[in-house]
Amino acid sequence: SQTIHQWPATLVQPVGSPLSLECTVEGTSNPNLYWYRQAAGRGLQLLFYSVGIGQISSEVPQNLSASRPQDRQFILSSKKLLLSDSGFYLCASVSGAGRDKESGGGNEKLFFGSGTQLSVL
Amino acid sequence: DAKTTQPNSMESNEEEPVHLPCNHSTISGTDYIHWYRQLPSQGPEYVIHGLTSNVNNRMASLAIAEDRKSSTLILHRATLRDAAVYYCILRDPLWGYQKVTFGTGTKLQVIP
Repeated sequence: SQTIHQWPATLVQPVGSPLSLECTVEGTSNPNLYWYRQAAGRGLQLLFYSVGIGQISSEVPQNLSASRPQDRQFILSSKKLLLSDSGFYLCASVSGAGRDKESGGGNEKLFFGSGTQLSVL
Repeated sequence: DAKTTQPNSMESNEEEPVHLPCNHSTISGTDYIHWYRQLPSQGPEYVIHGLTSNVNNRMASLAIAEDRKSSTLILHRATLRDAAVYYCILRDPLWGYQKVTFGTGTKLQVIP
């Protein structure tokens, strides 16, 4: 199975400061990678997903960006944080669709990291 | 994208079975039904998934309606450690199952 490494576990940042959250994956190659955000007591909001190096799909227009410089590395960034960026950020990984040729990918499970609790003050 | 609908919350007594429902009336023939759960302050974890047939694993059972418009996650004996938010999602073949979205899930409270 896959292991998703996320750090830091908690982060307190002032408004207007930059952000960089890193996620690395072990146990698979060519995964699909995801960034989700969860506000307190709410569900998971998909922010970005990537199907390969340098390929990023953005789901929510905002002041956040994502990059995938290596196959198993996914980075979430911001140049200037807003109060509304506070939340629990989760990285997730799914084995590439090509691994399960019969299902085309629908059989593949998502693996999540332990998350980063970001407080913007 | 096909969507799922779940009750916001449910309660269960400890050591009793729990049936968590999920409606997905717009499901397509190639959408996979996945269930995940999220313990407090943790990332979600996989529970079970299926396409058409009922499925069992060590964590739970998944009962899928014949028309596939609904499914039920069954925890055979709820324990306090099962208190979590349970998410029912569809793995959509659009764009090769790449995009994965979650709803708000069902918060399960287990009463000792």
